[in-house]
Amino acid sequence: DGGITQSPKYLFRKEGQNVTLSCEQNLNHDAMYWYRQDPGQGLRLIYYSQIVNDFQKGDIAEGYSVSREKKESFPLTVTSAQKNPTAFYLCASSIGLAGSSYNEQFFGPGTRLTVL
Amino acid sequence: QKEVEQDPGPLSVPEGAIVSLNCTYSNSAFQYFMWYRQYSRKGPELLMYTYSSGNKEDGRFTAQVDKSSKYISLFIRDSQPSDSATYLCAMSFSGYALNFGKGTSLLVTP
Repeated sequence: DGGITQSPKYLFRKEGQNVTLSCEQNLNHDAMYWYRQDPGQGLRLIYYSQIVNDFQKGDIAEGYSVSREKKESFPLTVTSAQKNPTAFYLCASSIGLAGSSYNEQFFGPGTRLTVL
Repeated sequence: QKEVEQDPGPLSVPEGAIVSLNCTYSNSAFQYFMWYRQYSRKGPELLMYTYSSGNKEDGRFTAQVDKSSKYISLFIRDSQPSDSATYLCAMSFSGYALNFGKGTSLLVTP
């Protein structure tokens, strides 16, 4: 089955700790994204990557870091610098650079992070 | 002003009703318009995609884009309880990075 997997589904973290959220896709997509969703806030873009070993900041990158060492994987680290990390985190992927055409973004099931 | 505005609801309708969901936007450069459906605690799934202005129909769903008014709509005919979800509008000027509305929570009651 092709798709996007995120793990874990639920994650609890103590304040001051870094934590890494996993995102893997087997769709052979070049582009991958991380979004954060808060109640009543919609989705906000944290980071995106158009190709391996390259990534760009989104609207709310402060306190987060990413890496893209493999095409299939785009892990997100929530650092202790993130002031309010409790949220639902969604990973997505799309075929690649859009150019003049639209690339549908496929979403994973999400990871719910709670800071205790 | 947020680039994409969407009434969060909740919107409650009886089964069989026609549902109208709407978003307004401020960036006239947007040319790709999407509607996503998100069930509770799940990732969003794409329902409809429209490029530029016009209408698009897919089964019980119709998407409309009015670029002159910066207004997009999603209509659901013969609504079913299984349509109960949050509906997110999204738009982009590049077909790439998406700008989402806050989502409208819809409840269809039997």
